[in-house]
Amino acid sequence: DAKTTQPTSMDCAEGRAANLPCNHSTISGNEYVYWYRQIHSQGPQYIIHGLKNNETNEMASLIITEDRKSSTLILPHATLRDTAVYYCIVRVASSSNTGKLIFGQGTTLQVKP
Amino acid sequence: KAGVTQTPRYLIKTRGQQVTLSCSPISGHRSVSWYQQTPGQGLQFLFEYFSETQRNKGNFPGRFSGRQFSNSRSEMNVSTLELGDSALYLCASSLVGGIDTGELFFGEGSRLTVL
Repeated sequence: DAKTTQPTSMDCAEGRAANLPCNHSTISGNEYVYWYRQIHSQGPQYIIHGLKNNETNEMASLIITEDRKSSTLILPHATLRDTAVYYCIVRVASSSNTGKLIFGQGTTLQVKP
Repeated sequence: KAGVTQTPRYLIKTRGQQVTLSCSPISGHRSVSWYQQTPGQGLQFLFEYFSETQRNKGNFPGRFSGRQFSNSRSEMNVSTLELGDSALYLCASSLVGGIDTGELFFGEGSRLTVL
C-alpha cells in the first residue's frame, strides 16, 4: 500500500470549509484513497473514498488531482463536532483484505468557535 | 441496526496475566478485524478474520491471537501481558461480497491497562 503524508494539525473556524490535504505520490493505478476520522475516545468512522473522480456524500467531498498524487478532503461547513483526527489511507480494494487498513498519524483538525 | 459491540469496555490486568476481548459485528458482516491503538504507535492492524479463518495478520508477536465463531463473533486473546500492551483495542466489521467499498465499522473499543 502506498504511503500518505498529512499535516500534523490544522485549525478551522466554525462554519467555514475545512480543507484537509493528503499527499500520496507513490499511489498505484488500482489503489483507492480513503478517509476516516476518529473523534476522541471513539472508534474511527468512515467518511468517503475515491479512485480518480471527485466524490461527494452527505459528510464531505473528496478532490483527487488528475495525476492522483494528492487529494483534499473538504468539510463544507465545519462544526465543533468535526474536531477529530482525520486519516488519509491508500489501499487496493480487494475482497481478500476488506478489513485491513494501514493508518498513518493523521491530521488533528481543531474547529474553533 | 446495532453497531459493533465490544466487551468489556475497560479492564485492568497485571503483567503476566492473559486477557480475552470480545467483539460482536454488525449483523450480516462476515469480516472482523482487530486494531491496537497506543499514543506512541497510533492505530495498528492486528489481524482479520473471515469465515472463521484468519486471512490477514499484522506485525505482532504470537502472544496476540484471535478466533472467529460461526456466527461471526470474534475474540482476541493476549497472553503473558506486558506493560506495553496497555492500549485501546478496536474491533471493526465489514460486509464482504461484491465490490469492496473499504468501509469498516468500528466499535468503541476495549481499553486495557496493564499494571
